[in-house]
Amino acid sequence: GAVVSQHPSRVICKSGTSVKIECRSLDFQATTMFWYRQFPKQSLMLMATSNEGSKATYEQGVEKDKFLINHASLTLSTLTVTSAHPEDSSFYICSARHRGGYSYNEQFFGPGTRLTVL
Amino acid sequence: SQQGEEDPQALSIQEGENATMNCSYKTSINNLQWYRQNSGRGLVHLILIRSNEREKHSGRLRVTLDTSKKSSSLLITASRAADTASYFCATPRKINSGNTPLVFGKGTRLSVIA
Repeated sequence: GAVVSQHPSRVICKSGTSVKIECRSLDFQATTMFWYRQFPKQSLMLMATSNEGSKATYEQGVEKDKFLINHASLTLSTLTVTSAHPEDSSFYICSARHRGGYSYNEQFFGPGTRLTVL
Repeated sequence: SQQGEEDPQALSIQEGENATMNCSYKTSINNLQWYRQNSGRGLVHLILIRSNEREKHSGRLRVTLDTSKKSSSLLITASRAADTASYFCATPRKINSGNTPLVFGKGTRLSVIA
């Protein structure tokens, strides 16, 4: 159980286009999902916290108008990279926390989406 | 901000040897977690150790936690080529908060040579 999927797994787009990445919890409900970004050979950096039914909370330095997050249901959060540019090329990973509330912050990670902007 | 700091940044060993990776953190925690990431892939949760635990085992993995020194170590015994990956420690950003994100260390890139 506790599987998180991401779609697409890989996307290549032209500069200036928008790209939507989906994060789904397949067999559990997640009131909170997190979006991370990872550059090559670097660690994961938190971009935003996505709460079902409310606005996302963005980390300092992350442009909310650039990275639109929607968490419309308990099993789906989407990240839209608007007007993508080559510097947005990265590996985007989501994680979901079980609604049941395991007391020790266990999160389940998606397999990631590799975005390449030409 | 990065809380966990792993060392070494890169480690290369022969198959069959043990690999030890260390992680330090800065704030109080209620647990610390270790993850593995194969190149270009997502994260695999390895083990979670609670702040009241000093040592935990899972198969060939052994994790220790020293809250007085704010450090943890991950030992992989009898390493295999398939253990080649990056290993990250992660801690909750806020203590006693269920919806807090994880803060990841910089990671250790482990290469196991057959």
